[in-house]
Amino acid sequence: GAVVSQHPSWVICKSGTSVKIECRSLDFQATTMFWYRQFPKQSLMLMATSNEGSKATYEQGVEKDKFLINHASLTLSTLTVTSAHPEDSSFYICSADGGTGAYNEQFFGPGTRLTVL
Amino acid sequence: RKEVEQDPGPFNVPEGATVAFNCTYSNSASQSFFWYRQDCRKEPKLLMSVYSSGNEDGRFTAQLNRASQYISLLIRDSKLSDSATYLCVVNSVGSSASKIIFGSGTRLSIRP
Repeated sequence: GAVVSQHPSWVICKSGTSVKIECRSLDFQATTMFWYRQFPKQSLMLMATSNEGSKATYEQGVEKDKFLINHASLTLSTLTVTSAHPEDSSFYICSADGGTGAYNEQFFGPGTRLTVL
Repeated sequence: RKEVEQDPGPFNVPEGATVAFNCTYSNSASQSFFWYRQDCRKEPKLLMSVYSSGNEDGRFTAQLNRASQYISLLIRDSKLSDSATYLCVVNSVGSSASKIIFGSGTRLSIRP
């Protein structure tokens, strides 16, 4: 299957700093990527839909100025958590849409574990 | 009401047992359905897509009931390695684009 990578796999930072997470589709082009957040023992929550060459679409309750998304190419989307705080500590996972049509498999990156001290 | 609902479990069953999960969805315009498996601290991985006619893959059988808006997953002859969280995923159609919605997951634990 298609491969999606994320970098970094884990990061620890001080409160107030910004953290950038990269999501890459390694062997296919993805016009659409999705960013999720998962807190312990909870399901994935969709944060935003990232579209190549256009603005991301954010889910209700997700601050677009805090979670900056850039999808500058067909193989790379980035999520920047600005001025991170301890409550932003979570597991951030991206996925890439595997194709067109109704039965689109989502290919997930391995996730980035963010800990904000 | 959540758009996709699952029984969170946990289901704790002995090895070799048959276990079934259900998942309901609220958007009747939903187009495609999936079951994903997520191991602890790992990313979700596709287990199987769910087709209208139902489909089977080895010990796993998925069914879709559009009239009642639910999908199911049946695991036969369960193995220890089946222990994981199973996520019901629905691709709903929004106002401008499709939207992937995850259920909260059902935790399964297989005991020896």
